[in-house]
Amino acid sequence: DQQVKQNSPSLSVQEGRISILNCDYTNSMFDYFLWYKKYPAEGPTFLISISSIKDKNEDGRFTVFLNKSAKHLSLHIVPSQPGDSAVYFCAASDPKGDAGNNRKLIWGLGTSLAVNP
Amino acid sequence: DVKVTQSSRYLVKRTGEKVFLECVQDMDHENMFWYRQDPGLGLRLIYFSYDVKMKEKGDIPEGYSVSREKKERFSLILESASTNQTSMYLCASSYRGPISYEQYFGPGTRLTVT
Repeated sequence: DQQVKQNSPSLSVQEGRISILNCDYTNSMFDYFLWYKKYPAEGPTFLISISSIKDKNEDGRFTVFLNKSAKHLSLHIVPSQPGDSAVYFCAASDPKGDAGNNRKLIWGLGTSLAVNP
Repeated sequence: DVKVTQSSRYLVKRTGEKVFLECVQDMDHENMFWYRQDPGLGLRLIYFSYDVKMKEKGDIPEGYSVSREKKERFSLILESASTNQTSMYLCASSYRGPISYEQYFGPGTRLTVT
């Protein structure tokens, strides 16, 4: 069963507008969340993260919001650019079996973002 | 600059062949991971290692094995390749510690088994 869900397989926005990518999770023990961007034929690259003790983290055009009570996080990209077109993965850090901090990431299935000029 | 390299970008193998995928990181990371990515299935963890000679099964270890003889190198082995192992294989590494759990990825190996 998917513990991290990205319910929108794809999203299309106009250049200059806001892109909002959503992610829901089921395990309230997750304590760290990350967003990755992936271009075709390349490995994912880290974009931004947030600790569960915060509700917002901002880095340039990218902002991640965390709503712990709703077990929901979202990534906002403002303004969106054509180069942002990629697959975006949400991931959560699983503290289970955290002996020596040997943590796994639990991944969503990704959302394909298309930013149209 | 952090660097994770994978031995091949593209690989074509025949059914039944033994396949080795190599991954090297130069960041002195303790943890290393092997994933496969398939359309509609996201990233699925095959195996990971948190120290030399240590390995842990991920979510889909069947048909695969791994080797970690040196800290910087993590190998994925397909003992007898099958067509359902055609996929994009991604290696990643990370620090072991409470500050950040960011994983750094290599460019991937697109494996086709015919």
